[in-house]
Amino acid sequence: AQSVTQLGSHVSVSEGALVLLRCNYSSSVPPYLFWYVQYPNQGLQLLLKYTTGATLVKGINGFEAEFKKSETSFHLTKPSAHMSDAAEYFCAVSHGANSKLTFGKGITLSVRP
Amino acid sequence: DSGVTQTPKHLITATGQRVTLRCSPRSGDLSVYWYQQSLDQGLQFLIQYYNGEERAKGNILERFSAQQFPDLHSELNLSSLELGDSALYFCASSARGDSTYEQYFGPGTRLTVT
Repeated sequence: AQSVTQLGSHVSVSEGALVLLRCNYSSSVPPYLFWYVQYPNQGLQLLLKYTTGATLVKGINGFEAEFKKSETSFHLTKPSAHMSDAAEYFCAVSHGANSKLTFGKGITLSVRP
Repeated sequence: DSGVTQTPKHLITATGQRVTLRCSPRSGDLSVYWYQQSLDQGLQFLIQYYNGEERAKGNILERFSAQQFPDLHSELNLSSLELGDSALYFCASSARGDSTYEQYFGPGTRLTVT
């Protein structure tokens, strides 16, 4: 069985500050990991994914994440927060191609001016 | 725009009623997934269809059913609705090839049961 843990439900940062959103996973097989963003009243948009290969993956809007197998983590970072980054962020895991996603509970990111 | 469309955008209905939610996947995508998003349960996988066949089932209630048609659009049928079925229902699609990992989500249908 797979699961995803996103500690905390809300993170608040100042504009220009580092964004760090934590994600830990549990999987009995090699995981495929994703971060999605959901803006208010919208669907989920893929930020980035890890399937195989390079463990540091870059996504859209300046976000990146690093897969650390030893820590079972896939934390999302952005060096400098922008007001437009305020949204809900979901970490998800699947066990292969064309397979269901198992999501964490999500983290709401607020950006203070 | 993900290329996945869902109708209707909003649906308000009464307990005991039946509704149908519709999803059109991205052009060429063979797989359709349905997810339910609620405040207490978060985002939960309901069911997956691949090229017309049911491929995987999650925590889908017996009152709920789905199908995927030859043109690859999918419908999620919810019957004997209860207040607790109020949620945002997302459709996602993937699989233009065998090695497709990411899913593309539609804008969702917000169901309110009164």
